[in-house]
Amino acid sequence: QQQVKQSPQSLIVQKGGISIINCAYENTAFDYFPWYQQFPGKGPALLIAIRPDVSEKKEGRFTISFNKSAKQFSLHIMDSQPGDSATYFCAASRSGGYQKVTFGTGTKLQVIP
Amino acid sequence: DAMVIQNPRYQVTQFGKPVTLSCSQTLNHNVMYWYQQKSSQAPKLLFHYYDKDFNNEADTPDNFQSRRPNTSFCFLDIRSPGLGDAAMYLCATKTGRTDTQYFGPGTRLTVL
Repeated sequence: QQQVKQSPQSLIVQKGGISIINCAYENTAFDYFPWYQQFPGKGPALLIAIRPDVSEKKEGRFTISFNKSAKQFSLHIMDSQPGDSATYFCAASRSGGYQKVTFGTGTKLQVIP
Repeated sequence: DAMVIQNPRYQVTQFGKPVTLSCSQTLNHNVMYWYQQKSSQAPKLLFHYYDKDFNNEADTPDNFQSRRPNTSFCFLDIRSPGLGDAAMYLCATKTGRTDTQYFGPGTRLTVL
């Protein structure tokens, strides 16, 4: 019940294309859904996050779509650039205090020129 | 400006030789976490501190210990590293009132 399933495991997109990564969760108590971006040899960095009271959140080229009834959320990267090549982790947790973050398994994105 | 600092960035140790990794933060966050991340895997939580309260994950080996002498610093001690402990070790912090975790750059541990 604590799992977050992420797909695909890897993704190759041409420059300028749209990258889409999907996640599904089981625990309905989760109410905070961040996406982390990790470059090789670096720590994860928060990219964008959403709460279940909204269905979409956009920050620049990055958009999270959230479907509460289906318990799914996805990351869309518009106009993908070679600099976006990284590993992306979706995650889920409950809000407040200390809450354990459950990470997805990660998607390695490669954007080719 | 570095907010979560980890030292060293790279650590090589011998099988069975104790090693200590350090994490410091300038954010004054009261929650600190240690994660282990192996190649092509998600970070795996080892333990966390909420202020001085220590919480160990059930599956964290006894070989791993931690100390938090003050708000700013946290240490990960690996008492007898095995080959399977080679990994990236990540420190992260957050406040008790918000949900965003801030990760450090990690320490890459190699066990020979």
